[in-house]
Amino acid sequence: NAGVTQTPKFRVLKTGQSMTLLCAQDMNHEYMYWYRQDPGMGLRLIHYSVGEGTTAKGEVPDGYNVSRLKKQNFLLGLESAAPSQTSVYFCASRGQGTYEQYFGPGTRLTVT
Amino acid sequence: AQKITQTQPGMFVQEKEAVTLDCTYDTSDQSYGLFWYKQPSSGEMIFLIYQGSYDEQNATEGRYSLNFQKARKSANLVISASQLGDSAMYFCAMRWYSSASKIIFGSGTRLSIRP
Repeated sequence: NAGVTQTPKFRVLKTGQSMTLLCAQDMNHEYMYWYRQDPGMGLRLIHYSVGEGTTAKGEVPDGYNVSRLKKQNFLLGLESAAPSQTSVYFCASRGQGTYEQYFGPGTRLTVT
Repeated sequence: AQKITQTQPGMFVQEKEAVTLDCTYDTSDQSYGLFWYKQPSSGEMIFLIYQGSYDEQNATEGRYSLNFQKARKSANLVISASQLGDSAMYFCAMRWYSSASKIIFGSGTRLSIRP
């Protein structure tokens, strides 16, 4: 039981490049979330999903897209990276009817 | 609009003392939940405690307790007998049921425990 895993752990991109972050959970959770954490700040919700095939916008969705084709995976895409997207990205999942979110270890992304 | 406010950017506390981390929230929902998470320097997010808006008793988990004052819209975290390992960032967060799933976080408080 690995919990929530994120791939990759670190990445450096140049402005304008694209990439996809993968989040996987093996707890059969319905809800999945993508957050970003900028230095010295709390987490801000980018997008979330309430089940397979569904996605919804959070607080800061601009510049990101997501997909939830399989229940266990939640992908976060950056089509054209910008320096303002330099951040640590956290994925989390939560089971139906529960309140605790389980977080992945984070992905540190730098855009130069 | 929903909002979480943590007014203490940083705190220093002597080891073994109790510490209270402040959190106030704003929501028009009657049903909501409040969380506290710990983020050590290693970066992972560790769930500490949860309080539902209809829970009559304050939540407790070991050395952690949540001082929930609904009328004042505050949900302070109390750590009893602090330890050096408690040094970390602490985040208050809120979930409100009308949005089904969204959770918002405060800006955090950095707690440093002095030996």
